[in-house]
Amino acid sequence: KAGVTQTPRYLIKTRGQQVTLSCSPISGHRSVSWYQQTPGQGLQFLFEYFSETQRNKGNFPGRFSGRQFSNSRSEMNVSTLELGDSALYLCASSITSTANEQFFGPGTRLTVL
Amino acid sequence: DAKTTQPPSMDCAEGRAANLPCNHSTISGNEYVYWYRQIHSQGPQYIIHGLKNNETNEMASLIITEDRKSSTLILPHATLRDTAVYYCIVRANNGNQFYFGTGTSLTVIP
Repeated sequence: KAGVTQTPRYLIKTRGQQVTLSCSPISGHRSVSWYQQTPGQGLQFLFEYFSETQRNKGNFPGRFSGRQFSNSRSEMNVSTLELGDSALYLCASSITSTANEQFFGPGTRLTVL
Repeated sequence: DAKTTQPPSMDCAEGRAANLPCNHSTISGNEYVYWYRQIHSQGPQYIIHGLKNNETNEMASLIITEDRKSSTLILPHATLRDTAVYYCIVRANNGNQFYFGTGTSLTVIP
């Protein structure tokens, strides 16, 4: 069974630009969660989608948004990029929202210059 | 936000048991204790979870105190590949958010 895939793996953008990251969950998984990981703040929850609906959202500004498609694939978008948005963005999938185990992808490393 | 406290770092000799403590003194009755780990440059990996009974699987054992205010993850025979950051998380059984906190950086020494 293929794992969680994220594209692209690395990305370099400049301040003010926007970026879209993609996540393909494990087949059969309907819940996708997004996390931001930085050295200073650690691993922080961004939002979670289940059956195309955002179920929960972390404490991030509105510049961070996401969506989920009918095939459970998910995208997250960050608009008006800031230097502080440089981070590893991780996607995790699970069968349901309350499943015990989340399976993480390798992440997308975003660098904002 | 994270409701757990863990030591920032620990060392363990290869082949010995690694005992990673976690304090969750404000845990609620419906909250489970989860452990994940993150090996450098990879996404976190699920290890084990429990409510109030001790749990064991092929990776580790989880010991939860009777008052549920603390727990210990035990890796019975640590190997170099167990070097990672270990996260202790509490989450309600109907919850869908994992708050990872800062974790414990475990270094297994040859």
